[in-house]
Amino acid sequence: NAGVMQNPRHLVRRRGQEARLRCSPMKGHSHVYWYRQLPEEGLKFMVYLQKENIIDESGMPKERFSAEFPKEGPSILRIQQVVRGDSAAYFCASSPAGEQYFGPGTRLTVT
Amino acid sequence: GESVGLHLPTLSVQEGDNSIINCAYSNSASDYFIWYKQESGKGPQFIIDIRSNMDKRQGQRVTVLLNKTVKHLSLQIAATQPGDSAVYFCAENIKGSNYKLTFGKGTLLTVNP
Repeated sequence: NAGVMQNPRHLVRRRGQEARLRCSPMKGHSHVYWYRQLPEEGLKFMVYLQKENIIDESGMPKERFSAEFPKEGPSILRIQQVVRGDSAAYFCASSPAGEQYFGPGTRLTVT
Repeated sequence: GESVGLHLPTLSVQEGDNSIINCAYSNSASDYFIWYKQESGKGPQFIIDIRSNMDKRQGQRVTVLLNKTVKHLSLQIAATQPGDSAVYFCAENIKGSNYKLTFGKGTLLTVNP
């Protein structure tokens, strides 16, 4: 029973480039949550998606960030024109409904 | 500001001792609480959860206590082992918020052999 998978595990981007982070939920889970974690801080909610729908994006920055969870394939968190302040660990969690299981995260470094 | 916070940022214990990690929350509408363990370079790992209609829940070597009167949550780890060394986060869900979690800053637990 594979857990939540995220890739890449580490991503380095120069300022102005685009970052795409992928999350494959656990089998049978149709709810996906994305969180961001800065060093020595707790996780901050970004967005909650169900298949093909964004349910709650109240934690997403208004610009440059977008997320999707298509009918087929992984959920994608996309950051356009990255800046140094985007450097963080990005975690996704999947859920059947309620309890959330986290992936290993993608560590994004913007140089 | 943060809705969930921790009293102690670090905790150091001897192997075999019991550990208690505390957490305060401020939103009385929170109805579901979870403790996560995060090891370096890994994602948060679910430890135990509790709903607001309970005040205590036990798992294997762990107990969570919820005091709604003072909005306080604690995690007790019995017979702490070196493998328990990690950062521990409490997280809360506000009722009706689609289970999006609000995390505290975390407590670093160090277990000395």
